[in-house]
Amino acid sequence: DAKTTQPTSMDCAEGRAANLPCNHSTISGNEYVYWYRQIHSQGPQYIIHGLKNNETNEMASLIITEDRKSSTLILPHATLRDTAVYYCIVNTGTASKLTFGTGTRLQVTL
Amino acid sequence: GAVVSQHPSRVICKSGTSVKIECRSLDFQATTMFWYRQFPKQSLMLMATSNEGSKATYEQGVEKDKFLINHASLTLSTLTVTSAHPEDSSFYICSAMVGPSTDTQYFGPGTRLTVL
Repeated sequence: DAKTTQPTSMDCAEGRAANLPCNHSTISGNEYVYWYRQIHSQGPQYIIHGLKNNETNEMASLIITEDRKSSTLILPHATLRDTAVYYCIVNTGTASKLTFGTGTRLQVTL
Repeated sequence: GAVVSQHPSRVICKSGTSVKIECRSLDFQATTMFWYRQFPKQSLMLMATSNEGSKATYEQGVEKDKFLINHASLTLSTLTVTSAHPEDSSFYICSAMVGPSTDTQYFGPGTRLTVL
């Protein structure tokens, strides 16, 4: 699976949009981009995933660049409960394992 | 939907004893489940992949005789830490895949194991 690069940490004011970037320059054509988050002392929570097109669900939006070498997870209106470590993972999506990197620690502040 | 539970949520045991952790998919059948371990301030590390009705596939460096995995049904996988030692103290997390047509993994809440 392709490796991903994320900033170590980010801050965001409550109510603002949180934009979390991820680089995956070695992504293959059949690999999806998955986003999970882990709130302290809990199991990871699935957020969203995509292949080529931008995706949106009730939690977030995923913007994937045309060359698929990077993506951005957008939390449109961050709240204090969105404080967590966010993991960007590239995976073929065929019953294969997820490789977690160090993720981005998002701190939402008042 | 796609809820995964783990039991117990935390356990404290003496060195040398065995501990069993259960992972259940509550509202779906999971042909594949995964077991991860997470040490403090570190990321999740995959330990093994568990397929219903067959032997688990362990990652390099994970002792299969120490970490026994059983996936006896489509909704239950168990991890038994045998002869636990203090260095086995960790946060153990399972995940389950909804089905072969979609490969999103849903995670349990984790089990905090402390070995004294």
